[in-house]
Amino acid sequence: EDKVVQSPLSLVVHEGDTVTLNCSYEVTNFRSLLWYKQEKKAPTFLFMLTSSGIEKKSGRLSSILDKKELFSILNITATQTGDSAVYLCAVPASKIIFGSGTRLSIRP
Amino acid sequence: SQTIHQWPATLVQPVGSPLSLECTVEGTSNPNLYWYRQAAGRGLQLLFYSVGIGQISSEVPQNLSASRPQDRQFILSSKKLLLSDSGFYLCAWSGRGRGSSEQFFGPGTRLTVL
Repeated sequence: EDKVVQSPLSLVVHEGDTVTLNCSYEVTNFRSLLWYKQEKKAPTFLFMLTSSGIEKKSGRLSSILDKKELFSILNITATQTGDSAVYLCAVPASKIIFGSGTRLSIRP
Repeated sequence: SQTIHQWPATLVQPVGSPLSLECTVEGTSNPNLYWYRQAAGRGLQLLFYSVGIGQISSEVPQNLSASRPQDRQFILSSKKLLLSDSGFYLCAWSGRGRGSSEQFFGPGTRLTVL
């Protein structure tokens, strides 16, 4: 059965810290892995990863995929209170499968 | 550019009442369309997806149904709401073909069933 598992489920850090969010997956016919940020409403797209070892970067956020070990990480450096959100990992299989998300809270 | 609309934004309904949530997409043709539910503190659960007009696949047995009367319109319905139908409902679209796996979400509808 296809599945996507995210860890930790919840994380509280202080502003300025660096955090690493994890996503592991088991799917047949893997094509890509997606990261989303969800604040109060709809998820917003962050990254799509298709190749191992190639880092995608956007400002303080970066992500990388390891297709051999079947996981991805999302890094956020110098965190700010605006980074507080639920971060979702998703893998399109026969249908798109979402992890349960990591709730990140940044304390000032 | 593509946009996706959902309405209403918030809805409070009594148990046993009917439901109709609408989703429309602009700026693209023949999209794949999806309905998700997100219960409080939980991940996204795929409810229905559609690859074309009148083509609906249901992912979980439930009290809800979906319809796609037009290419860019997706409707989520229920004849009689249950308390467990409360949640945040998200509509999403994706393109077709290779490299179109990312989904784009509408603003969502928060449904409370009392």
